[in-house]
Amino acid sequence: QQQVKQSPQSLIVQKGGIPIINCAYENTAFDYFPWYQQFPGKGPALLIAIRPDVSEKKEGRFTISFNKSAKQFSLHIMDSQPGDSATYFCASQTGANNLFFGTGTRLTVIP
Amino acid sequence: DTAVSQTPKYLVTQMGNDKSIKCEQNLGHDTMYWYKQDSKKFLKIMFSYNNKELIINETVPNRFSPKSPDKAHLNLHINSLELGDSAVYFCASSQRDGIPFFGQGTRLTVV
Repeated sequence: QQQVKQSPQSLIVQKGGIPIINCAYENTAFDYFPWYQQFPGKGPALLIAIRPDVSEKKEGRFTISFNKSAKQFSLHIMDSQPGDSATYFCASQTGANNLFFGTGTRLTVIP
Repeated sequence: DTAVSQTPKYLVTQMGNDKSIKCEQNLGHDTMYWYKQDSKKFLKIMFSYNNKELIINETVPNRFSPKSPDKAHLNLHINSLELGDSAVYFCASSQRDGIPFFGQGTRLTVV
């Protein structure tokens, strides 16, 4: 059973475009929603995270939008660069440290 | 460097063998994890330890046994390796109720 649904599976954008990755969850016990970035051959690296008491969080070119009533959240990458090409995972966590990952989105930014 | 480090990075072994993967963190975290990433890049938690005590044990074959000699180390021992065990195994650590930081992964190939 997939606790966190992520889409799209893959995404190709031109440099400067704004890729958007969407995630949805069902369990209202989730209280922390991180995004991870993974480059080939590397471990997932924490990119940005949000708690459900805010609707948006921005760090540099990365923004999380959070819709608590719809149980959805998304990652926007402003002014995307070829170096942003990676696999992105959304995740949802309960206080018990159990982190459930989405299925990943492979992003390619074309120069 | 402060990090989560795991060894070896690559492990190729024959079916039926027993192998271990070691993990160490020097971040001062209380909680350590093992995650498995399959060929479709799906990440799933296997085990979680807090201060050397097992707190999450997902449905994983008994052939997998984690061992935490102290709170900075969490090793994974796998008995009687099977072809289906081929995957990338990630160690991670966090503060209690915090977001996990991941190691670089161990790519296990069973032939």
